[in-house]
Amino acid sequence: QKEVEQNSGPLSVPEGAIASLNCTYSDRVSQSFFWYRQYSGKSPELIMSIYSNGDKEDGRFTAQLNKASQYVSLLIRDSQPSDSATYLCAVNGGQDDKIIFGKGTRLHILP
Amino acid sequence: EAGVTQFPSHSVIEKGQTVTLRCDPISGHDNLYWYRRVMGKEIKFLLHFVKESKQDESGMPNNRFLAERTGGTYSTLKVQPAELEDSGVYFCASSSSGGLGWNIQYFGAGTRLSVL
Repeated sequence: QKEVEQNSGPLSVPEGAIASLNCTYSDRVSQSFFWYRQYSGKSPELIMSIYSNGDKEDGRFTAQLNKASQYVSLLIRDSQPSDSATYLCAVNGGQDDKIIFGKGTRLHILP
Repeated sequence: EAGVTQFPSHSVIEKGQTVTLRCDPISGHDNLYWYRRVMGKEIKFLLHFVKESKQDESGMPNNRFLAERTGGTYSTLKVQPAELEDSGVYFCASSSSGGLGWNIQYFGAGTRLSVL
């Protein structure tokens, strides 16, 4: 059974600080790794994708992947109240494959 | 460009009734996926269409669920007869084949199904 594990939170972070979200996955052959953000009642929105070991930065977001440790993380710098949402870690085995999701981490940015 | 749209946004039915959910993918996307999230659990895969063909239906819970994608455009997911455990949020996603962003799945807002 392929699994993706996340701490459900809530994770509370002061405004302007760095929010750190973590995720582990069980299937070593996973090839693609994603972070989706979901506001209550809305669609999951892709914010980061990463495919190789190391860091990938996009604005205030940095995704980190360590395939040896089967570990993915998301850092959000200069956290804003609008970043308060549930963050879903997701993996898949390759092109067009189904996505395996974690349960999500609820992030709360404190004004 | 319109995103993935799902209808209805919320459906409340009684046990034993039939419900049909609809998904319109992003125009031109050959891949269409159905997922479901039941309360307290993670979003789980149900099935995958490539155009009008079922590529992978390993996540379909039982034969009360029937998915179709006639003509390779929109898709429907029918639950007949509905049971209490079918309650949850049903998401649809679509992706293109080939080119940039070839395996990025874009999600709809979901249909919240409540079976009473």
